[in-house]
Amino acid sequence: RKEVEQDPGPFNVPEGATVAFNCTYSNSASQSFFWYRQDCRKEPKLLMSVYSSGNEDGRFTAQLNRASQYISLLIRDSKLSDSATYLCVVNAQGSGNTGKLIFGQGTTLQVKP
Amino acid sequence: GAVVSQHPSRVICKSGTSVKIECRSLDFQATTMFWYRQFPKQSLMLMATSNEGSKATYEQGVEKDKFLINHASLTLSTLTVTSAHPEDSSFYICSARDLRATSNQPQHFGDGTRLSIL
Repeated sequence: RKEVEQDPGPFNVPEGATVAFNCTYSNSASQSFFWYRQDCRKEPKLLMSVYSSGNEDGRFTAQLNRASQYISLLIRDSKLSDSATYLCVVNAQGSGNTGKLIFGQGTTLQVKP
Repeated sequence: GAVVSQHPSRVICKSGTSVKIECRSLDFQATTMFWYRQFPKQSLMLMATSNEGSKATYEQGVEKDKFLINHASLTLSTLTVTSAHPEDSSFYICSARDLRATSNQPQHFGDGTRLSIL
């Protein structure tokens, strides 16, 4: 089983749609969770950290369920510019404060006009 | 915001050449930097953790004699792909953590180096 699993998609949605991505992780001791965005042939860029209480940043909402070891990202009112690959990222087992991260394979989103 | 500079951004060279990639933290100090590799349509895979002033920690399956890492200062780590072959062609990305950061703070990524070995 992969340490971080995501549905690779692609998700093809029209502009204005709401889309949700899911991610599961295997290490119950993980403490830090992030969503990164990666455009084609570019480096990953942090979209948002994920907190237990859930957090929102504009059109983006992230949720964490520790009991189910499940992370989600909701994008409302999709824009063409949201087209990218979204990476679910979790800190590695036993990493303590070393910052070692495990990346999911990413979910590809294509927003169509 | 925190900036990580990675150089070069693109390398095309012949098989057997050694290639050196630099990763610099521009406005913060990093005792730890990370080197990742990403093949097409795959996710980032951690290759090694670079520790300032000590030996790097390599992930399982990554040859330390093939991928030489040097982290001589708090702002610079280098990855040298020795005697590169076509199968080493990939997107190499570094990241760095501010030494003041806690575990729930994100890493800062370089722009990546696209390596093509002919």
